[in-house]
Amino acid sequence: DVKVTQSSRYLVKRTGEKVFLECVQDMDHENMFWYRQDPGLGLRLIYFSYDVKMKEKGDIPEGYSVSREKKERFSLILESASTNQTSMYLCASSRYEQYFGPGTRLTVT
Amino acid sequence: KNEVEQSPQNLTAQEGEFITINCSYSVGISALHWLQQHPGGGIVSLFMLSSGKKKHGRLIATINIQEKHSSLHITASHPRDSAVYICAPRGSSNTGKLIFGQGTTLQVKP
Repeated sequence: DVKVTQSSRYLVKRTGEKVFLECVQDMDHENMFWYRQDPGLGLRLIYFSYDVKMKEKGDIPEGYSVSREKKERFSLILESASTNQTSMYLCASSRYEQYFGPGTRLTVT
Repeated sequence: KNEVEQSPQNLTAQEGEFITINCSYSVGISALHWLQQHPGGGIVSLFMLSSGKKKHGRLIATINIQEKHSSLHITASHPRDSAVYICAPRGSSNTGKLIFGQGTTLQVKP
């Protein structure tokens, strides 16, 4: 079975902190994605990566950056966390079907 | 206008009913995914299809590429089917990028 794991299920950070969310997949997938999910707004793509060191902006990249140094790991970085980044963050990987991680519920206070 | 439109947005059914969720999209796609998310739970891929029809247990998904329309059917619905169902077409590029519908919230009452 494909496994996508995320570093934390719940995270509480203070405004202005640098936040790292990590995602690891074990199926050698080229494509990896970071989404945020908010009530009433559905799933929105922040960034995706289609190969090591390759990345593209999604629909809402502002305030975020990403890193993919190894094929299995895709990190989302909040350079200076703000309260409007409080959300559920979901990572996914795919070759054809898309497999989602369990999500990280981030609260920025 | 959204690139992906799902209907209905909310659906309440009695246990045992036949349920249909519809999805229309306006872009060219390579495939279409149906996803399921239980309350407080993660997202699971139910189907990926590029033509015709697929069936897993009580769930059936169909797609008509020419009409840019897909449907998800649930036969003999059960309270454990209560979840959000998301239609997500995949664009024509090979990046695997999905375009998400807003989701249909289904509640099946016993």
